[in-house]
Amino acid sequence: DVKVTQSSRYLVKRTGEKVFLECVQDMDHENMFWYRQDPGLGLRLIYFSYDVKMKEKGDIPEGYSVSREKKERFSLILESASTNQTSMYLCASSFNPGSGNTIYFGEGSWLTVV
Amino acid sequence: AQKITQTQPGMFVQEKEAVTLDCTYDTSDQSYGLFWYKQPSSGEMIFLIYQGSYDEQNATEGRYSLNFQKARKSANLVISASQLGDSAMYFCAMSIWRGGYNKLIFGAGTRLAVHP
Repeated sequence: DVKVTQSSRYLVKRTGEKVFLECVQDMDHENMFWYRQDPGLGLRLIYFSYDVKMKEKGDIPEGYSVSREKKERFSLILESASTNQTSMYLCASSFNPGSGNTIYFGEGSWLTVV
Repeated sequence: AQKITQTQPGMFVQEKEAVTLDCTYDTSDQSYGLFWYKQPSSGEMIFLIYQGSYDEQNATEGRYSLNFQKARKSANLVISASQLGDSAMYFCAMSIWRGGYNKLIFGAGTRLAVHP
């Protein structure tokens, strides 16, 4: 079975804290993604990576950074958490190339910033 | 601009009946993929069904079928014989190839409630 694992399901952090969200996939996928999900807005792409040490901004990268040192691991970093970053964060991965490749998701990380 | 529109924020259906969840899309790309995902309250996104833009036949996967009308740019999900376990959020998504990766654009989702 394919597996995308997000290390933390539920986190509560204080404003200004540095937050790391970790994601690991065991499918040898080239592409990895971080999405944010908010009610009424669907999923919005924050950052993605198509290879080790490669990263590209998505639609809402402000306030976030990412790291991909190994193929299987993609980390989302909130340098200084703010209350408007309270959300559900979903990691995903897929093979290259082509638009028909299924994207597999992790179970999500619910982040509350107080 | 690429966009997915799901106009139904919520839908109700009686158990064992069929239900259609609407999805329209906008893209100038000739090659794209259309997906439906199910998200139960646990939060995981479960892949349901895929339709390629060049596929002439509508995709089917068990009780799920995708009603693909390319000229109208619609990709509605039909769930036949609804079950209580079908209660969840459903997201329509479009995948487009951007020279190195698949960009996946999501709609806002439709919450489906199945009543006994």
